[in-house]
Amino acid sequence: DADVTQTPRNRITKTGKRIMLECSQTKGHDRMYWYRQDPGLGLQLIYYSFDVKDINKGEISDGYSVSRQAQAKFSLSLESAIPNQTALYFCATSDSEADQETQYFGPGTRLLVL
Amino acid sequence: TQLLEQSPQFLSIQEGENLTVYCNSSSVFSSLQWYRQEPGEGPVLLVTVVTGGEVKKLKRLTFQFGDARKDSSLHITAAQPGDTGLYLCAGVSGGYQKVTFGTGTKLQVIP
Repeated sequence: DADVTQTPRNRITKTGKRIMLECSQTKGHDRMYWYRQDPGLGLQLIYYSFDVKDINKGEISDGYSVSRQAQAKFSLSLESAIPNQTALYFCATSDSEADQETQYFGPGTRLLVL
Repeated sequence: TQLLEQSPQFLSIQEGENLTVYCNSSSVFSSLQWYRQEPGEGPVLLVTVVTGGEVKKLKRLTFQFGDARKDSSLHITAAQPGDTGLYLCAGVSGGYQKVTFGTGTKLQVIP
């Protein structure tokens, strides 16, 4: 079984709809991240959480919100989806106790906003 | 804002050729990482370089961290179709080890 899972893997929605992307991990890591990937722009950080009670905005948080329901779960919401939020979304985890920061990524969610 | 620019953005080469991908920034990083992403999957860490001037080899891949810790390169010798993918550099900085990803280089190796 994958250590970092994301649901759904693909999603088509309409402008104005609220949607939630979910991420779960079995690695026991304390840190979790949400990234957005667009062609030619690498990975852009949306939100990150260092533990259940710690949520921080990343580079591109406008239009997004997150919830860390438990150490193993971190969900991303688009309150009112717009077409330019069409992208590939990745969840990642890392362990603050590790000697070197290594991020472990889920398989991604491909989102299309019509 | 820390920016990591990668070049080239796209690269299509024949099997057996050599190539170099560059990752440049005006910011200093405590370490520099390279990830590879295959279609339909998330990025996977290949290597972390920590010391300025450090060179690490992973089979046919050679990674170098610049002396000033602002840039890095990835050299692939005798590329294979299995090397096809998106290569991302990532700079690590700060007390809490913030990771900033580069713009990515999409590599296609043609058999």
